[in-house]
Amino acid sequence: DPKIIQKPKYLVAVTGSEKILICEQYLGHNAMYWYRQSAKKPLEFMFSYSYQKLMDNQTASSRFQPQSSKKNHLDLQITALKPDDSATYFCASSHTGGSDYTFGSGTRLLVI
Amino acid sequence: GEQVEQRPPHLSVREGDSAFIICTYTDSATAYFYWYKQEPGAGLQLLMSVFSNVDRKEEQGLTVLLNKKDKRLSLNLTAAHPGDSAVYFCAVSETGYQNFYFGKGTSLTVIP
Repeated sequence: DPKIIQKPKYLVAVTGSEKILICEQYLGHNAMYWYRQSAKKPLEFMFSYSYQKLMDNQTASSRFQPQSSKKNHLDLQITALKPDDSATYFCASSHTGGSDYTFGSGTRLLVI
Repeated sequence: GEQVEQRPPHLSVREGDSAFIICTYTDSATAYFYWYKQEPGAGLQLLMSVFSNVDRKEEQGLTVLLNKKDKRLSLNLTAAHPGDSAVYFCAVSETGYQNFYFGKGTSLTVIP
């Protein structure tokens, strides 16, 4: 069974719309992260949360907002979608200070 | 910030041959080093992690070399087989959690 669940696996959105990418982890980790993988760039770190609090944000745009309703959830809300937002978004989790960093299988977002 | 360069971007080897991938990084404070494998449509599978006090690590046909002086990390797959065909990423981190910095990946094809 997957330990990190990302939903949906594929997502097509219209320019200007808003979408929420879901991430749930069942590893008992207290830190969660979002990364973006686009065609022309390496995997890029976006956010880190620890105990449901934002620790680091390296995404310039405020259109990307993580939401943590439960300690094992870190969703990613993206507003005013643009074609350049098309990418695969990976969620990850770990214990803080742990070597058990684990990635989900990603959500592939296509903005048309 | 940290800059990670990975080469080659594409690599084709025959079954039974070795495949060699190299990454360089810039931040001397980087202490954690990782190699991941990504198969089509899948997430990132951790192959091996090393801490900065390790120069060489071998596991199941994989050899990771770390040269901290030259800030270079390499992965050697010995006796490659078609199931090794995938994209391989190096990643580095200062803390072992929070944000990882990734190379752009190497697409490996193993020809039967």
